[in-house]
Amino acid sequence: DAGITQSPRHKVTETGTPVTLRCHQTENHRYMYWYRQDPGHGLRLIHYSYGVKDTDKGEVSDGYSVSRSKTEDFLLTLESATSSQTSVYFCAIRKDRGSTDTQYFGPGTRLTVL
Amino acid sequence: DQQVKQNSPSLSVQEGRISILNCDYTNSMFDYFLWYKKYPAEGPTFLISISSIKDKNEDGRFTVFLNKSAKHLSLHIVPSQPGDSAVYFCAASGPGNTGKLIFGQGTTLQVKP
Repeated sequence: DAGITQSPRHKVTETGTPVTLRCHQTENHRYMYWYRQDPGHGLRLIHYSYGVKDTDKGEVSDGYSVSRSKTEDFLLTLESATSSQTSVYFCAIRKDRGSTDTQYFGPGTRLTVL
Repeated sequence: DQQVKQNSPSLSVQEGRISILNCDYTNSMFDYFLWYKKYPAEGPTFLISISSIKDKNEDGRFTVFLNKSAKHLSLHIVPSQPGDSAVYFCAASGPGNTGKLIFGQGTTLQVKP
């Protein structure tokens, strides 16, 4: 258990509205990641963070922004949601101790954009 | 351009037999490989990993094999149990400290009692 929570767990919203998903960790690890999971695509990296206020883009970052003002929280924002952003979103952390790239995932947020 | 591919969307095996899940990659710079298991409505759970300096890693019923020349890895589950029924993702990471992972599409394993 890596102490990761995501909120909300489920959300239904309408096209054009802003949406913010929250990821919270209890162990103060530096690296945090946002992925989306879609059928036929596996998990794809949206954005990641390597410290407070330090973020970078992943492979599917268009239409998404992130912020990290505290070590424990990593926010993912859809500025103007579109139906193509209907997906399951997972947050992950990489533990600072140890030298591997193993990531540990939260329970996910299912987002539906109508 | 799919750098990590799992070409079998599904696999069905009998309880007690071996399950073999396969994964191919194209980027020779990948140096660390992982397998995750995912149940419905849950996040992926780390299962086992292997560094590119090894060709085999074992953890209980799970063994991962890496063939660098073929850019291929496989996950063996012996013996398979009904509780192993899940979606399995392979993932790869490259040099550098970002820890970014590239995932395959996933393989759904069904273990029949």
